[in-house]
Amino acid sequence: GAVVSQHPSWVICKSGTSVKIECRSLDFQATTMFWYRQFPKQSLMLMATSNEGSKATYEQGVEKDKFLINHASLTLSTLTVTSAHPEDSSFYICSARDFRNSNQPQHFGDGTRLSIL
Amino acid sequence: QKEVEQDPGPLSVPEGAIVSLNCTYSNSAFQYFMWYRQYSRKGPELLMYTYSSGNKEDGRFTAQVDKSSKYISLFIRDSQPSDSATYLCASANTGNQFYFGTGTSLTVIP
Repeated sequence: GAVVSQHPSWVICKSGTSVKIECRSLDFQATTMFWYRQFPKQSLMLMATSNEGSKATYEQGVEKDKFLINHASLTLSTLTVTSAHPEDSSFYICSARDFRNSNQPQHFGDGTRLSIL
Repeated sequence: QKEVEQDPGPLSVPEGAIVSLNCTYSNSAFQYFMWYRQYSRKGPELLMYTYSSGNKEDGRFTAQVDKSSKYISLFIRDSQPSDSATYLCASANTGNQFYFGTGTSLTVIP
């Protein structure tokens, strides 16, 4: 149980393109989803936390107009990297949990490797 | 001081060895403790989850929490090459705030 699906797994696109990444909880309702960024051989860096039906809370230094997060349903959140540039190339990972069940940990997707040319 | 401290390693052991991975945390309000395994170019996979002091065992894996010393450990018995990965510890309170260690890179040599 507790499966989180993330799509696409790898995307390569030209500079200036906007890219959308989807994160779905397949067998539970995700009241809260988290978006992380990870550079090679480094730990997870939390970008934002989103609660279903509410605006996302962004961590300090993360541009909310650059990284648009939508969490319109209990099973789907999207991250859109707008006007992506090479410095946005990274590994993006989502996770989800059911906040109503305070005992539930975060469950992660398999990540999206974003390469901007 | 970071909320969760973890020795980054790298750690290299021969196949069959017992592996000990450790973290410390600073906030006594943390109630939930997790270990995740992350293979290269994959998302973290939940290995162990506990919310009390003591040991929790699952196959070759044992998670240990000592709330009095704010110390969490993961033991891997009979380590296998397939255990080679980065292991992340995490702590959380009753809200939505999770704190991750920086990860320990483990290599099990056949």
